[in-house]
Amino acid sequence: LAKTTQPISMDSYEGQEVNITCSHNNIATNDYITWYQQFPSQGPRFIIQGYKTKVTNEVASLFIPADRKSSTLSLPRVSLSDTAVYYCLVGPYNTDKLIFGTGTRLQVFP
Amino acid sequence: GAVVSQHPSWVICKSGTSVKIECRSLDFQATTMFWYRQFPKQSLMLMATSNEGSKATYEQGVEKDKFLINHASLTLSTLTVTSAHPEDSSFYICSADRSTGELFFGEGSRLTVL
Repeated sequence: LAKTTQPISMDSYEGQEVNITCSHNNIATNDYITWYQQFPSQGPRFIIQGYKTKVTNEVASLFIPADRKSSTLSLPRVSLSDTAVYYCLVGPYNTDKLIFGTGTRLQVFP
Repeated sequence: GAVVSQHPSWVICKSGTSVKIECRSLDFQATTMFWYRQFPKQSLMLMATSNEGSKATYEQGVEKDKFLINHASLTLSTLTVTSAHPEDSSFYICSADRSTGELFFGEGSRLTVL
């Protein structure tokens, strides 16, 4: 499974757009990129998954450049409730064995 | 609603006792479940893969005799922390694959060993 590198922490204010970038230089051809969100004392929750270009759902967008060596999770207009740790994971589709990296601790201020 | 449920959500026990944590897939069958451990301010660490009807597969450094895993049915996996000690105090999380490309995680179980 490809290793990922993310910023340890980020700060933002309510209403701003937040972009969290993840580096995965050793991503394999059959690897997908998946992001999870974790609140304190809760299990992680799936946010979004993509393979290339751009993916958008009701909560976030995922931008993946052509070389796929990095990806950016974009959270539009964050609120206080978006304060959480965000994990970027890389692995084959439907992989069941996930190895978590350090994650990015996002703090949203009023 | 939750598709993977853990019980108990928190437990306090005395040193030397054993504690069992349950992980249930609520509306789907999971032949494979996973157990993670998370210490404060740290990431999730995969402990073992729980396989229905067979022995669990443990990650390197995880003591199989310490952390007993039983996957007796397609909807239930249990983790038993045997002879618990204060250093075993942690947040234990399970997950199950619903074959949809995303893993579903339980709410977590916080173990405190006195």
